[in-house]
Amino acid sequence: LAKTTQPISMDSYEGQEVNITCSHNNIATNDYITWYQQFPSQGPRFIIQGYKTKVTNEVASLFIPADRKSSTLSLPRVSLSDTAVYYCLVGAYTGTASKLTFGTGTRLQVTL
Amino acid sequence: DAGVIQSPRHEVTEMGQEVTLRCKPISGHDYLFWYRQTMMRGLELLIYFNNNVPIDDSGMPEDRFSAKMPNASFSTLKIQPSEPRDSAVYFCASSQRGGTEAFFGQGTRLTVV
Repeated sequence: LAKTTQPISMDSYEGQEVNITCSHNNIATNDYITWYQQFPSQGPRFIIQGYKTKVTNEVASLFIPADRKSSTLSLPRVSLSDTAVYYCLVGAYTGTASKLTFGTGTRLQVTL
Repeated sequence: DAGVIQSPRHEVTEMGQEVTLRCKPISGHDYLFWYRQTMMRGLELLIYFNNNVPIDDSGMPEDRFSAKMPNASFSTLKIQPSEPRDSAVYFCASSQRGGTEAFFGQGTRLTVV
C-alpha cells in the first residue's frame, strides 16, 4: 500500500475554506484516494473518494493532479463542528486485496 | 439499516481475564474489518474478513488475539488473556466489495486494569 504523508495539524477560523494536502508518491495504478473524518469518541466517517481530477459532494471537494502523487481535500466554509481529525488513505478498490490502512491524520481545529 | 453495531461500548476487566468484543456489520456488506486505536499508535488494522473468511490477520498483535466470523452478520474479537497494554478503543467496520468506503461502528473502549 502506498504510504501517505499529511500535516499533523491545521488551524482555521470559522467560515474559511480549508485545504488539507496529502502526499502519496508511491500510489499504484489501481489505487483510489479516500478521506475520512473522525470526531472524538467516534469511529471514522467516510467523506469522499476519487481516482483522478476533481470530485465534489455535499461535504467536500477532492482535487487530484494528473500525476496522482498528491491530493487535496477542500472543506468550504468550515464551522466549529468541522473540528476533527482527517485521514487520507490510498488503497486498491479490488475485491481480494483491499484493506484500509490509516496514517496519522491531520487534526483540524476550527475557532471563531 | 442501523449501521455497524458494536458491543459492549465500554469494557473494564482485570488483567488475565478473557475479553470478547462483538460486531454486527451492515447487512449486505461482505467485508469486515477490526481496528484498534490508541494515542500512541493511532488506528491499526488488526484483521479483515471477506465473505466470513479471514483474509489478512497480519495486524493481530499476538496469539492472545483471535477473531472469528461465524456468519455474515456477526464477528467477534477475543483477547485471552488480556493485559493492560491491550487497553484501547476497538472499532469494527464493514464495506461492500472491498471498496475503501467503509462504515465504522461506535467502537468499544477497553480498559484492562
